[in-house]
Amino acid sequence: SQQGEEDPQALSIQEGENATMNCSYKTSINNLQWYRQNSGRGLVHLILIRSNEREKHSGRLRVTLDTSKKSSSLLITASRAADTASYFCATDLDNYGQNFVFGPGTRLSVLP
Amino acid sequence: DGGITQSPKYLFRKEGQNVTLSCEQNLNHDAMYWYRQDPGQGLRLIYYSQIVNDFQKGDIAEGYSVSREKKESFPLTVTSAQKNPTAFYLCASSPIQGANTGELFFGEGSRLTVL
Repeated sequence: SQQGEEDPQALSIQEGENATMNCSYKTSINNLQWYRQNSGRGLVHLILIRSNEREKHSGRLRVTLDTSKKSSSLLITASRAADTASYFCATDLDNYGQNFVFGPGTRLSVLP
Repeated sequence: DGGITQSPKYLFRKEGQNVTLSCEQNLNHDAMYWYRQDPGQGLRLIYYSQIVNDFQKGDIAEGYSVSREKKESFPLTVTSAQKNPTAFYLCASSPIQGANTGELFFGEGSRLTVL
């Protein structure tokens, strides 16, 4: 099975609500990153959290990391229709970051 | 503008033909990557390169080949040996900063369809 597994696979919410996505992984990591992908497009980096960090914020994004549980969560607050996309977590398995492992993603739909 | 350019965006190929996907970056990044994405799945690593004239196989390298003759360019050839080549292909680059890991910068992808 994959190193990174996002949960849920799909999420549908109303505009203004918060969206929470989770990522679990199996082995020790150097850092964990979240990416966003609009349909048919490339991925865009959202946020990186290192293994010695527990929480990080960027605008409406909040990421937490629990290395004891090997899990991370991405919270998008006050969601907008433009947030509709797939969200992927990627784990960096070695110190030089040359082996990122991506999960299957969470498809988020924000309804106006 | 700085970034990664992939071409073509859409490509159709007959069975038995080789096809080459282009990836060019002007970010001065040392590392470049090719990923394959199938519907509803995450990205799987095909090949990556950390330096010119050197590259390593990823998880699904069979049926693919790459070259890294220039720092800016990392073309991917999908050969006839690849049994199921229809997919969305993504190229990415990242800086190498010692033990620190940077983010991946992605191109817009190339969608290959085998007829």
